[in-house]
Formats: sequence, structure tokens, C-alpha cells
Amino acid sequence: EAQVTQNPRYLITVTGKKLTVTCSQNMNHEYMSWYRQDPGLGLRQIYYSMNVEVTDKGDVPEGYKVSRKEKRNFPLILESPSPNQTSLYFCASSFGSGNHYEQYFGPGTRLTVT
Amino acid sequence: AQKITQTQPGMFVQEKEAVTLDCTYDTSDPSYGLFWYKQPSSGEMIFLIYQGSYDQQNATEGRYSLNFQKARKSANLVISASQLGDSAMYFCAMRVNTGGFKTIFGAGTRLFVKA
Repeated sequence: EAQVTQNPRYLITVTGKKLTVTCSQNMNHEYMSWYRQDPGLGLRQIYYSMNVEVTDKGDVPEGYKVSRKEKRNFPLILESPSPNQTSLYFCASSFGSGNHYEQYFGPGTRLTVT
Repeated sequence: AQKITQTQPGMFVQEKEAVTLDCTYDTSDPSYGLFWYKQPSSGEMIFLIYQGSYDQQNATEGRYSLNFQKARKSANLVISASQLGDSAMYFCAMRVNTGGFKTIFGAGTRLFVKA
């Protein structure tokens, strides 16, 4: 089954404790992206990757890191989480970076930082 | 700056009636893609429909159609014959390739379908 998977689905952590949210897709997609969803703000793009070893900032990259060492994986790293990073996070992928490709979303990761 | 505006935080519609969800966009790039996604209460994001900036005809997908008015920079989603399962959050989004390969989402519209 074609899908985007994220782990963990739920995470409660404390301020400053490094964490990684994994994202994997099995569709051989070139483009992958991370978003955060907050009430009243919709989804905001954190980082995206157009291919292996090619990443770029979205609109809200502060406090986050990413890497793309393999085509299928695109982990999101929070080196020192803070309460304002409490949010619902989505990973997404698309076949390419062209503006006509729809994105396939993972199930979401709900992160709470206390 | 690129922006998506959805001015309806919430809407009600009677089952079996049609409903229009508004979306306006702003970009100076002549090439862009416009998308609508549905987010049910279970949380997943579901792609509904796509419209390209150069497409001459409005996109349709089953009960979904996109009313694309390029001069007004609007891309409204029309759902015909609403069903109870259409109750969800709906997001309008735009992909542009200027200044990076980004996607911009609107704040969303929550649709409630009444029986």
C-alpha cells in the first residue's frame, strides 16, 4: 500500500530534550516536506526536500532541523524543544517539486512540549 | 508575498444541498497550482482537487468542482449534494516555484453538514 508513515503518532516531552520524528514514504517520491498545524493558522511549511541531500527552509524553520540521506526518509529533529513547538506535525511527499503535484500526507504526530 | 485567504472559519449546509467554500490567493508568479484538501475529525489530510494556473477549464472531481476565477484570484470549492460525511475541515493550498518550491495553506474552513 502506498503510504507516508510517521512515528511516533503522539509524544509528550519536556523543554530541551532532543527528539526526532521520523517520516518514511514508499512511493519513490522525490519531494518531501514537513508542516505544522496550529488552530487558526492552517498548515505552515517547516522544511522541504527536493531530493536526497537537497533541503531548504519553509516559512517556519526556526528550532527545527532536517536531513535527507535516503530518498524514502525525511526525519524532523527538534534539538531543544520549547513549549511553542507544541503542535500537530505532518510529513508529506509528492512525485516531484512541480506545482501540479498533489502531496500525500502522513497521519500526523501530535507533539506536546511541557 | 504569497498568501492564501479563507474567510469562512465555519459554515453550515443542509444535507443534499450544494455549498461553496471560498479561497482567494495572492502571488506574482504566473505559474502556480491550487489544491483543496479535506481533513476529517480523524485528522488525516485527503487531497480533493487540483487546478493549474494555465488550465482553461474549471477542475471537477465527482461531487467536487473548483470555481477558478483567475482575474479575481479566487479558487472556490463547490461541493454538490452534500453528505454527512462531508463534515470536515477544508484547506485551500497553493504551490509555487518562485523563491523556493513551497506550499502555502489557508487557515481552513470547517464545514458542518446538517441532516
